[in-house]
Amino acid sequence: AQSVTQLGSHVSVSEGALVLLRCNYSSSVPPYLFWYVQYPNQGLQLLLKYTSAATLVKGINDFEAEFKKSETSFHLTKPSAHMSDAAEYFCAVSSGSARQLTFGSGTQLTVLP
Amino acid sequence: DGGITQSPKYLFRKEGQNVTLSCEQNLNHDAMYWYRQDPGQGLRLIYYSQIVNDFQKGDIAEGYSVSREKKESFPLTVTSAQKNPTAFYLCASQGFSTGELFFGEGSRLTVL
Repeated sequence: AQSVTQLGSHVSVSEGALVLLRCNYSSSVPPYLFWYVQYPNQGLQLLLKYTSAATLVKGINDFEAEFKKSETSFHLTKPSAHMSDAAEYFCAVSSGSARQLTFGSGTQLTVLP
Repeated sequence: DGGITQSPKYLFRKEGQNVTLSCEQNLNHDAMYWYRQDPGQGLRLIYYSQIVNDFQKGDIAEGYSVSREKKESFPLTVTSAQKNPTAFYLCASQGFSTGELFFGEGSRLTVL
Protein backbone atom coordinates (compact mmCIF):
# COMPACT_ATOMS: atom_id res chain seq x y z
CA ALA A 1 0.00 0.00 0.00
CA GLN A 2 1.09 3.55 -0.61
CA SER A 3 0.12 6.79 1.06
CA VAL A 4 1.06 10.45 1.20
CA THR A 5 0.92 12.91 4.06
CA GLN A 6 1.21 16.64 3.49
CA LEU A 7 1.92 18.49 6.71
CA GLY A 8 0.07 21.76 6.89
CA SER A 9 -3.10 22.33 4.92
CA HIS A 10 -2.33 26.06 4.79
CA VAL A 11 1.07 27.75 4.56
CA SER A 12 1.68 31.51 4.41
CA VAL A 13 4.94 33.15 3.41
CA SER A 14 5.99 36.68 2.60
CA GLU A 15 6.93 37.60 -0.93
CA GLY A 16 10.64 36.89 -1.39
CA ALA A 17 10.79 34.40 1.48
CA LEU A 18 11.63 30.72 1.29
CA VAL A 19 8.80 28.35 0.43
CA LEU A 20 8.82 24.92 2.11
CA LEU A 21 5.95 22.50 1.61
CA ARG A 22 6.26 19.16 3.34
CA CYS A 23 5.45 15.72 1.96
CA ASN A 24 6.04 12.33 3.52
CA TYR A 25 5.20 9.10 1.76
CA SER A 26 4.74 5.47 2.58
CA SER A 27 5.60 2.80 0.05
CA SER A 28 6.82 -0.78 0.27
CA VAL A 29 8.83 -0.47 -2.96
CA PRO A 30 10.88 2.34 -4.49
CA PRO A 31 8.42 5.06 -5.39
CA TYR A 32 7.90 7.59 -8.08
CA LEU A 33 7.03 10.94 -6.51
CA PHE A 34 5.34 13.98 -7.98
CA TRP A 35 4.44 17.55 -7.06
CA TYR A 36 1.52 19.22 -8.81
CA VAL A 37 0.19 22.78 -8.58
CA GLN A 38 -3.44 23.81 -9.00
CA TYR A 39 -4.75 27.33 -9.56
CA PRO A 40 -8.42 28.08 -8.80
CA ASN A 41 -10.88 26.34 -11.10
CA GLN A 42 -8.12 24.75 -13.14
CA GLY A 43 -6.61 21.31 -13.54
CA LEU A 44 -3.38 20.14 -11.95
CA GLN A 45 -0.06 20.98 -13.55
CA LEU A 46 3.10 18.96 -12.97
CA LEU A 47 5.84 20.89 -11.15
CA LEU A 48 8.42 18.13 -10.91
CA LYS A 49 8.86 14.38 -10.52
CA TYR A 50 11.29 11.94 -8.96
CA THR A 51 11.81 8.74 -10.90
CA SER A 52 14.84 7.13 -9.19
CA ALA A 53 17.50 9.22 -10.90
CA ALA A 54 19.00 12.25 -9.12
CA THR A 55 17.63 12.76 -5.61
CA LEU A 56 17.50 16.54 -6.04
CA VAL A 57 14.89 17.29 -8.64
CA LYS A 58 14.46 20.67 -10.29
CA GLY A 59 11.13 21.70 -11.70
CA ILE A 60 9.43 24.64 -13.30
CA ASN A 61 9.37 28.17 -11.84
CA ASP A 62 12.48 27.55 -9.67
CA PHE A 63 10.82 24.89 -7.55
CA GLU A 64 12.85 21.90 -6.45
CA ALA A 65 12.41 18.86 -4.22
CA GLU A 66 14.78 16.44 -2.58
CA PHE A 67 14.06 12.73 -2.25
CA LYS A 68 15.25 11.48 1.15
CA LYS A 69 14.74 7.76 1.45
CA SER A 70 15.81 7.60 5.10
CA GLU A 71 13.18 10.17 6.03
CA THR A 72 10.60 8.99 3.45
CA SER A 73 10.22 12.62 2.47
CA PHE A 74 9.94 14.66 -0.70
CA HIS A 75 9.62 18.27 0.46
CA LEU A 76 9.08 21.05 -2.08
CA THR A 77 11.11 24.26 -1.84
CA LYS A 78 11.55 27.54 -3.66
CA PRO A 79 14.17 30.08 -2.58
CA SER A 80 12.05 33.19 -3.11
CA ALA A 81 8.26 33.25 -3.18
CA HIS A 82 6.42 35.25 -5.80
CA MET A 83 2.82 36.40 -5.63
CA SER A 84 2.03 34.16 -8.60
CA ASP A 85 3.02 31.10 -6.52
CA ALA A 86 -0.19 31.37 -4.51
CA ALA A 87 -2.04 28.15 -5.32
CA GLU A 88 -2.75 24.68 -3.97
CA TYR A 89 0.03 22.12 -4.11
CA PHE A 90 -0.37 18.36 -4.17
CA CYS A 91 2.20 15.66 -3.52
CA ALA A 92 1.58 12.24 -5.08
CA VAL A 93 3.20 8.80 -5.06
CA SER A 94 3.04 5.75 -7.27
CA SER A 95 4.97 2.58 -6.69
CA GLY A 96 5.55 -0.88 -8.05
CA SER A 97 2.87 -2.28 -10.27
CA ALA A 98 0.35 0.15 -8.83
CA ARG A 99 0.48 2.78 -11.53
CA GLN A 100 -2.32 4.68 -9.84
CA LEU A 101 -1.16 7.81 -8.12
CA THR A 102 -2.12 8.40 -4.52
CA PHE A 103 -2.47 12.10 -3.71
CA GLY A 104 -2.00 13.98 -0.50
CA SER A 105 -4.76 16.23 0.75
CA GLY A 106 -3.05 19.35 -0.55
CA THR A 107 -1.41 22.47 0.88
CA GLN A 108 -2.82 25.91 0.13
CA LEU A 109 0.04 28.40 -0.25
CA THR A 110 -0.65 32.07 0.43
CA VAL A 111 1.97 34.67 -0.48
CA LEU A 112 1.78 37.91 1.51
CA PRO A 113 2.94 41.20 0.01
CA ASP B 1 -1.48 21.05 -29.09
CA GLY B 2 -1.53 17.69 -27.33
CA GLY B 3 -3.51 17.45 -24.16
CA ILE B 4 -6.69 16.61 -22.30
CA THR B 5 -9.93 18.39 -23.11
CA GLN B 6 -12.83 18.37 -20.69
CA SER B 7 -16.27 19.76 -21.39
CA PRO B 8 -18.34 21.48 -20.29
CA LYS B 9 -16.36 23.73 -17.93
CA TYR B 10 -19.47 24.53 -15.90
CA LEU B 11 -22.66 22.50 -15.70
CA PHE B 12 -25.86 22.91 -13.74
CA ARG B 13 -28.20 20.01 -13.13
CA LYS B 14 -31.53 19.56 -11.49
CA GLU B 15 -31.90 16.82 -8.93
CA GLY B 16 -32.84 13.50 -10.49
CA GLN B 17 -31.13 14.14 -13.80
CA ASN B 18 -28.20 12.24 -15.22
CA VAL B 19 -25.37 14.28 -16.71
CA THR B 20 -22.37 13.23 -18.80
CA LEU B 21 -18.97 14.90 -18.61
CA SER B 22 -16.73 14.61 -21.64
CA CYS B 23 -13.00 13.85 -21.58
CA GLU B 24 -10.90 13.57 -24.74
CA GLN B 25 -7.15 13.12 -25.07
CA ASN B 26 -4.79 13.22 -28.04
CA LEU B 27 -1.68 12.04 -26.19
CA ASN B 28 -2.09 8.41 -27.31
CA HIS B 29 -2.15 7.29 -23.68
CA ASP B 30 -3.73 3.97 -22.74
CA ALA B 31 -4.69 4.81 -19.18
CA MET B 32 -7.26 7.41 -18.20
CA TYR B 33 -8.71 8.46 -14.84
CA TRP B 34 -11.60 10.40 -13.31
CA TYR B 35 -11.21 12.19 -10.00
CA ARG B 36 -13.60 14.13 -7.84
CA GLN B 37 -12.34 17.13 -5.88
CA ASP B 38 -14.12 18.68 -2.90
CA PRO B 39 -12.71 21.51 -0.77
CA GLY B 40 -10.19 20.24 1.73
CA GLN B 41 -10.41 16.63 0.57
CA GLY B 42 -7.83 16.42 -2.16
CA LEU B 43 -8.51 14.16 -5.13
CA ARG B 44 -10.60 11.02 -4.86
CA LEU B 45 -10.54 8.39 -7.60
CA ILE B 46 -13.89 7.58 -9.20
CA TYR B 47 -13.03 5.27 -12.11
CA TYR B 48 -10.02 4.41 -14.19
CA SER B 49 -9.33 2.60 -17.43
CA GLN B 50 -6.06 0.98 -18.42
CA ILE B 51 -7.15 0.02 -21.92
CA VAL B 52 -10.03 0.36 -24.34
CA ASN B 53 -13.20 -1.54 -23.39
CA ASP B 54 -11.99 -2.08 -19.83
CA PHE B 55 -12.39 0.02 -16.68
CA GLN B 56 -12.30 -0.40 -12.91
CA LYS B 57 -14.01 1.24 -9.97
CA GLY B 58 -12.02 3.59 -7.82
CA ASP B 59 -12.65 4.57 -4.23
CA ILE B 60 -15.95 6.41 -4.77
CA ALA B 61 -17.60 4.82 -7.82
CA GLU B 62 -21.14 4.62 -6.43
CA GLY B 63 -23.53 6.79 -8.43
CA TYR B 64 -21.16 7.13 -11.39
CA SER B 65 -20.67 5.22 -14.63
CA VAL B 66 -18.09 5.34 -17.43
CA SER B 67 -17.38 3.88 -20.84
CA ARG B 68 -14.18 3.46 -22.84
CA GLU B 69 -15.16 2.65 -26.42
CA LYS B 70 -12.28 4.62 -27.93
CA LYS B 71 -8.73 5.19 -26.75
CA GLU B 72 -9.19 8.94 -26.97
CA SER B 73 -12.41 9.21 -24.99
CA PHE B 74 -13.45 8.43 -21.40
CA PRO B 75 -16.82 10.05 -20.58
CA LEU B 76 -18.19 10.09 -17.03
CA THR B 77 -21.91 9.95 -16.28
CA VAL B 78 -23.09 11.29 -12.96
CA THR B 79 -26.34 9.49 -12.30
CA SER B 80 -29.30 10.44 -10.15
CA ALA B 81 -28.09 7.80 -7.68
CA GLN B 82 -25.14 10.02 -6.71
CA LYS B 83 -26.34 11.64 -3.49
CA ASN B 84 -24.04 14.64 -3.45
CA PRO B 85 -22.86 15.31 -7.00
CA THR B 86 -21.90 18.97 -6.63
CA ALA B 87 -18.10 18.96 -7.06
CA PHE B 88 -15.16 19.69 -9.34
CA TYR B 89 -14.39 16.75 -11.65
CA LEU B 90 -10.95 16.15 -13.12
CA CYS B 91 -10.00 13.82 -15.95
CA ALA B 92 -6.43 12.69 -16.54
CA SER B 93 -4.41 10.42 -18.78
CA GLN B 94 -1.22 8.69 -17.77
CA GLY B 95 2.19 8.75 -19.41
CA PHE B 96 3.83 5.48 -20.34
CA SER B 97 7.21 5.55 -18.61
CA THR B 98 7.11 7.47 -15.35
CA GLY B 99 3.38 7.30 -14.89
CA GLU B 100 2.80 11.01 -14.46
CA LEU B 101 -0.75 12.20 -14.93
CA PHE B 102 -1.77 14.86 -17.42
CA PHE B 103 -4.91 16.67 -16.31
CA GLY B 104 -7.70 18.45 -18.09
CA GLU B 105 -9.00 21.84 -16.95
CA GLY B 106 -11.83 20.27 -14.99
CA SER B 107 -15.63 20.43 -15.01
CA ARG B 108 -17.58 22.05 -12.20
CA LEU B 109 -20.97 20.44 -11.64
CA THR B 110 -23.59 22.16 -9.53
CA VAL B 111 -26.87 20.50 -8.63
CA LEU B 112 -29.69 22.97 -8.12
